[in-house]
Amino acid sequence: QQPVQSPQAVILREGEDAVINCSSSKALYSVHWYRQKHGEAPVFLMILLKGGEQKGHEKISASFNEKKQQSSLYLTASQLSYSGTYFCGTSGNTPLVFGKGTRLSVIA
Amino acid sequence: GAGVSQSPSNKVTEKGKDVELRCDPISGHTALYWYRQSLGQGLEFLIYFQGNSAPDKSGLPSDRFSAERTGGSVSTLTIQRTQQEDSAVYLCASSLGIYTEAFFGQGTRLTVV
Repeated sequence: QQPVQSPQAVILREGEDAVINCSSSKALYSVHWYRQKHGEAPVFLMILLKGGEQKGHEKISASFNEKKQQSSLYLTASQLSYSGTYFCGTSGNTPLVFGKGTRLSVIA
Repeated sequence: GAGVSQSPSNKVTEKGKDVELRCDPISGHTALYWYRQSLGQGLEFLIYFQGNSAPDKSGLPSDRFSAERTGGSVSTLTIQRTQQEDSAVYLCASSLGIYTEAFFGQGTRLTVV
């Protein structure tokens, strides 16, 4: 079952913050976050394995609420380089399946 | 290898012809995935291999699509009697397991004319 991402698209000015949400109707064991720039392959950002775990990567962090089957990706003080499409992937009883993506555009 | 390698990088084929897409995963990665990405769309799951077996083939769009993996390494995705709606980028990814980071290849862009 494909996870659901929201919002579908967001436009930010440099320095602004954003949150991307990911939810699933099925029990999850792990949540993966990837970023894909136009014409390139998706690149791994982080993986979360435990309920309530929070991880960080530079100014990008994520949380995973296993009980609610939800994860959120937090981008703070956004930079132009953050532009791209963000995908959450989930695995539980199924292998890694991805949401439809959130298109993030950061403008100067 | 240093990363996931896919070939060819581009393929143009005539409608009705068969095509084979190849994926060479990172050495030692037992999990291998195939995804399809149409222009501006998300990552559509096609099939997953653990070793040489495919426990989940649920994403294959039709019986024209098949995939195999040999020696726990190289995988081929075959599309028979290609249709125009098969045009997309086909991405392969590999990982140590389904709960670990997946590494993507650069994809094969398939165009059916």
